[in-house]
Amino acid sequence: GAGVSQSPSNKVTEKGKDVELRCDPISGHTALYWYRQSLGQGLEFLIYFQGNSAPDKSGLPSDRFSAERTGGSVSTLTIQRTQQEDSAVYLCASSSGGGSWGNTIYFGEGSWLTVV
Amino acid sequence: QKEVEQNSGPLSVPEGAIASLNCTYSDRVSQSFFWYRQYSGKSPELIMSIYSNGDKEDGRFTAQLNKASQYVSLLIRDSQPSDSATYLCAALGGGYNKLIFGAGTRLAVHP
Repeated sequence: GAGVSQSPSNKVTEKGKDVELRCDPISGHTALYWYRQSLGQGLEFLIYFQGNSAPDKSGLPSDRFSAERTGGSVSTLTIQRTQQEDSAVYLCASSSGGGSWGNTIYFGEGSWLTVV
Repeated sequence: QKEVEQNSGPLSVPEGAIASLNCTYSDRVSQSFFWYRQYSGKSPELIMSIYSNGDKEDGRFTAQLNKASQYVSLLIRDSQPSDSATYLCAALGGGYNKLIFGAGTRLAVHP
């Protein structure tokens, strides 16, 4: 696609429910990132994919969070048993390389998650 | 110590003035640095990237990098009200796998 596409754009869920957030990166981009941004805060790194593997998942805040990527393209971030502190915008980004020099990282519009 | 630090602001400048945004980073291994602009409720968009010591100019924007001091800055000349946004500084670290972001500086340009 022309840009990084994320869905849903907005999600309101009840505490304790599971949610899935989807990211469709720019066509041909091998690197994919998930970040989280709470209201008024900076971007918090969650996980990085190179192809289908995740060499860096150091930012996942707990074992309730998991992510996968299939076919070197679409990625899904799953949050199990959601808590109110999970409320944030979840941003997906992609780049043509592993974030090395000159490989610009482009962001999607984000999925706004509210846990009530 | 946070890996990338920025003054949260707000930085308020009059229209037409130069806005100066600053950032420091802790990881000496970092080689690539980026400035993103984020409007309220929107995702970050890349403004500038810089990899070498010195200045890099693009239109009204100039990025400055000093690796010895671990310091990155962004100058915005002839500031416009439309420049009002949060500016995020980012460093490529962690084995070049990820961008580490600062918390951002909020800029307000008033007419």
